[in-house]
Amino acid sequence: GAGVSQSPRYKVTKRGQDVALRCDPISGHVSLYWYRQALGQGPEFLTYFNYEAQQDKSGLPNDRFSAERPEGSISTLTIQRTEQRDSAMYRCASSSDRGYEQYFGPGTRLTVT
Amino acid sequence: AQSVSQHNHHVILSEAASLELGCNYSYGGTVNLFWYVQYPGQHLQLLLKYFSGDPLVKGIKGFEAEFIKSKFSFNLRKPSVQWSDTAEYFCAVNPPTRGYQKVTFGTGTKLQVIP
Repeated sequence: GAGVSQSPRYKVTKRGQDVALRCDPISGHVSLYWYRQALGQGPEFLTYFNYEAQQDKSGLPNDRFSAERPEGSISTLTIQRTEQRDSAMYRCASSSDRGYEQYFGPGTRLTVT
Repeated sequence: AQSVSQHNHHVILSEAASLELGCNYSYGGTVNLFWYVQYPGQHLQLLLKYFSGDPLVKGIKGFEAEFIKSKFSFNLRKPSVQWSDTAEYFCAVNPPTRGYQKVTFGTGTKLQVIP
């Protein structure tokens, strides 16, 4: 595609529900990153994929958060048993190689009520 | 772990004024440095980057940044701002030894340019 796309753009969910956030990277990009951005803060690294391999998940805050990229393209970030503190903008980025410029998607604004 | 400090959270300038946004980082080794910008309603996008070489880096739309290693700084500058520069600006750092970009962002500076 022309750019990184994310869906949904906005998600409102009730506390305790599971949510799945999707990222579709630029075609051919091997590297994919997830970030979380709280209000008034900069994006915070969550996890990194090289093709389908999750090579760094050190930024995932706890075991309610997980991510996958089974075919090395589309990625899903899943948050189980959501809590109000999970409310944030979730951003995805992709790059053509591990050390190259990252291209960001529009983000998913998650609100947990 | 590396960290990034942006001292100005909100800057208001009149058109044609000069801009300098401060960025300091804490990391003892070699770093890659970035400035990202997010215009209202748009994606976060790369403004400019420094990997090595000339410490004065030029980016898009007339922006430039200077890497001063001794001061651990990478300040963003523009001689004359326009209303269209209204946006949020993020400084970011990444140690290149990882082989991929585990980027640490600052908290951002919101720039408002008044016509």
